[in-house]
Amino acid sequence: EVQLVESGGVVVQPGGSLRLSCAASGFTFDDYAMHWVRQAPGKGLEWVSLISWDGGSTYYADSVKGRFTISRDNSKNSLYLQMNSLRAEDTALYYCAKDIAPFYSGSYQYYFDYWGQGTLVTVSS
Amino acid sequence: SSELTQDPAVSVALGQTVRITCQGDSLRSYYASWYQQKPGQAPVLVIYGKNNRPSGIPDRFSGSSSGNTASLTITGAQAEDEADYYCNSRDSSGTGVFGGGTKLTVL
Repeated sequence: EVQLVESGGVVVQPGGSLRLSCAASGFTFDDYAMHWVRQAPGKGLEWVSLISWDGGSTYYADSVKGRFTISRDNSKNSLYLQMNSLRAEDTALYYCAKDIAPFYSGSYQYYFDYWGQGTLVTVSS
Repeated sequence: SSELTQDPAVSVALGQTVRITCQGDSLRSYYASWYQQKPGQAPVLVIYGKNNRPSGIPDRFSGSSSGNTASLTITGAQAEDEADYYCNSRDSSGTGVFGGGTKLTVL
């Protein structure tokens, strides 16, 4: 059974930093690209970032580019999101999500077939 | 960056058919995927690609695409289909994008 479990969400002051983690199990982690998606309270979904199966390629939403860094440790089946210079508008539930396409398909599909339950980040003084 | 536009709310009578649409330039190049989200729960993938359903998704859910518009159709809507629905795609720069979401009410 595929499981994605996020952790690391806390209350942090504006300008602060935070590192989110996502522990994956139930599938061959290093075969798949992974994403972070967030949802502000009462709002819609927002795609945040993608990392390729080997960590060699990363992509970011304009809203977080230059402040957030996505990474992964395939030896630990773990995905991370380093969040710096946090702003009030970064307050959200952060989900990690698995891309549906394995690396041997040749490309990322941006179809998210498994999601974690999310970890809540609150940026407030 | 690209944008996807959805109607904020749609309603359907129980057992009837409803279409939820998503518009955006990126849909001319990339297929959308669709997610169902119920209150307090993580999103669930219901349609992806040309018209593919993950295992466990009822066949009353279907997808289609034409030009810059993707559609999710629910044929014979059930009470349990009441939820928020989001479309998603990507652009050529590798940026992902979600629509604003459609709240589906089953009357």
